[in-house]
Amino acid sequence: QVQLQESGPGLVKPSETLSLTCTVSGYSISSGYYWSWIRQSPGKGLEWIATIFHSGTTYFNPSLKSRVTISEDTSKNQFSLRLSSVTAADTAVYHCARYTGGNGFYFDYWGRGTLVTVSS
Amino acid sequence: QSALTQPPSASGSPGQSVTISCTGTSSDVGGYNYVSWYQHHPGKAPKLIIYEVTKRPSGVPDRFSGSKSGNTASLTVSGLQAEDEADYFCSSHAGSNYVFGSGTKVTVL
Repeated sequence: QVQLQESGPGLVKPSETLSLTCTVSGYSISSGYYWSWIRQSPGKGLEWIATIFHSGTTYFNPSLKSRVTISEDTSKNQFSLRLSSVTAADTAVYHCARYTGGNGFYFDYWGRGTLVTVSS
Repeated sequence: QSALTQPPSASGSPGQSVTISCTGTSSDVGGYNYVSWYQHHPGKAPKLIIYEVTKRPSGVPDRFSGSKSGNTASLTVSGLQAEDEADYFCSSHAGSNYVFGSGTKVTVL
């Protein structure tokens, strides 16, 4: 059974960088599939942030691209998100998920999500 | 502002059916047969229940069904059960982007 678990600080100050890690169990991220970050803000719904393929190829939401970095650590079976210059608008529950890419374009496994609040 | 529009709520009695709409544009829902639906019980991980408009993953009851007409996709839950009470959201491939619906809270009366 594939499981994903997000981790990282729950509080980030404005203008600083948000950093989250997703630990995957039950599947090796270097074996295939794509790995994504998605967030849900109050009143704004869900928003896809970024996706990484195990080869290192990355894809970004155009509206966030300039502030986002996504990376993977296959030795730890983890992938990570960094979002720079955060504002209150970045307050959200951040989910990591496995994405099928061109084989159906859907997210088949998700993490429960972690709440990140941007506040001084 | 979500890219795909869903009604904020829907409800039905046990055994009844409820249908949730998901309206997008020709650049997402209408342009691709890659609409998926997810069930989300608060505090738990979202669960895939429909992909590629009509397909169900293994283990998802056939009470859940999907369809699409033009720029609007729909999820029908037949034979409502208490455990179906949850948030449901749609999503669609959109070329170089990926968009989600605003979510619908389904209440089992």
